[in-house]
Amino acid sequence: SQTIHQWPATLVQPVGSPLSLECTVEGTSNPNLYWYRQAAGRGLQLLFYSVGIGQISSEVPQNLSASRPQDRQFILSSKKLLLSDSGFYLCAWSVFFGGEAFFGQGTRLTVV
Amino acid sequence: QKEVEQNSGPLSVPEGAIASLNCTYSDRGSQSFFWYRQYSGKSPELIMFIYSNGDKEDGRFTAQLNKASQYVSLLIRDSQPSDSATYLCAVSSNTDKLIFGTGTRLQVFP
Repeated sequence: SQTIHQWPATLVQPVGSPLSLECTVEGTSNPNLYWYRQAAGRGLQLLFYSVGIGQISSEVPQNLSASRPQDRQFILSSKKLLLSDSGFYLCAWSVFFGGEAFFGQGTRLTVV
Repeated sequence: QKEVEQNSGPLSVPEGAIASLNCTYSDRGSQSFFWYRQYSGKSPELIMFIYSNGDKEDGRFTAQLNKASQYVSLLIRDSQPSDSATYLCAVSSNTDKLIFGTGTRLQVFP
């Protein structure tokens, strides 16, 4: 069966520090991968998606970036965090682009 | 701009009652419809999907789709306090990304 791992579960980072969140999927090949952010009491905002290795599409311009160095690995990064980057970050995968998405357990990021 | 609309709630129902959660969408080309449950502080969990007009039942859950009215709903029968969560509606045209609503918070009180 397929599983998705996302870490860390919680993170407190100072403003201006770098960020690296990692997500891996097991049990499937060539998944579509997604990074979402959910601000407190808000809906899911799609940040990036990838349909293949090295292919990254950005939905929202901001100081975040994403990379997919391996088929089942998706990384969310920032060089300098802002207070507004605080939120609940979710990695997800799907078999078909636009199909049902399955989420990792999420990372709660607090920028202080 | 493709949109998915949900009443934010909270929707409060007594234990044992039927909870009815509604969702409307703007893209007439939408083909796939999903319901996710999200407990506070946790990630969304897929609980139902529906592709064709009509009803689809899975245990205590029934998804209803009316493409002509661009309306999808989720019924939860015999609601339990453990059903208290935020329910997210998601819609896709199958050629574009999933569009999520902002969710409806359901509270089931004993």
